[in-house]
Amino acid sequence: GAVVSQHPSRVICKSGTSVKIECRSLDFQATTMFWYRQFPKQSLMLMATSNEGSKATYEQGVEKDKFLINHASLTLSTLTVTSAHPEDSSFYICSARAGSEVSPLHFGNGTRLTVT
Amino acid sequence: SQELEQSPQSLIVQEGKNLTINCTSSKTLYGLYWYKQKYGEGLIFLMMLQKGGEEKSHEKITAKLDEKKQQSSLHITASQPSHAGTYLCGAFEGNSGYSTLTFGKGTMLLVSP
Repeated sequence: GAVVSQHPSRVICKSGTSVKIECRSLDFQATTMFWYRQFPKQSLMLMATSNEGSKATYEQGVEKDKFLINHASLTLSTLTVTSAHPEDSSFYICSARAGSEVSPLHFGNGTRLTVT
Repeated sequence: SQELEQSPQSLIVQEGKNLTINCTSSKTLYGLYWYKQKYGEGLIFLMMLQKGGEEKSHEKITAKLDEKKQQSSLHITASQPSHAGTYLCGAFEGNSGYSTLTFGKGTMLLVSP
């Protein structure tokens, strides 16, 4: 089946630094990737939709200058949390769509970000 | 925007018992997906339903989409500890290729021995 690899799985950083999270589709080409954020005991919140070769579309309330998304190829999308603050601590999950618009999304295993 | 209501929010069942989780929308669902998530991990795709009245099964898990395509149920037969986790339903807000997937708040399932 389709595999999405997300790295790193855990990261601890100091306030003010930037963190990059990678999301790769290993055995398929993903024209669209999605980035979600999940707070404890809550559902996934869509942050942005990333299409290969174009600018990401951010959801309302998500700061695009803070959460930089780059979808440089059909198999790689990155999320960079810039100037991280403790309130950015969360669980970030990427997903990728393989195939048509009604194909299921396949998810990475998530990245636990802790900002101290 | 579309909202998905999941019920119950949490559920504790004894091993071997059956259970049902519901997912309801006020709008027509264009593709209904069921995922399972263990704490701190990614989501595992379970099933996708598209047509009204559709029903799919995988091992001991059965998912149905009603005729109006506004409600789906996930039924687990003879639950096992391996079924424990959070189950999320997700649906597209529209039927175009640019639609995004929104999720319900999840149902946390615990299976007691």
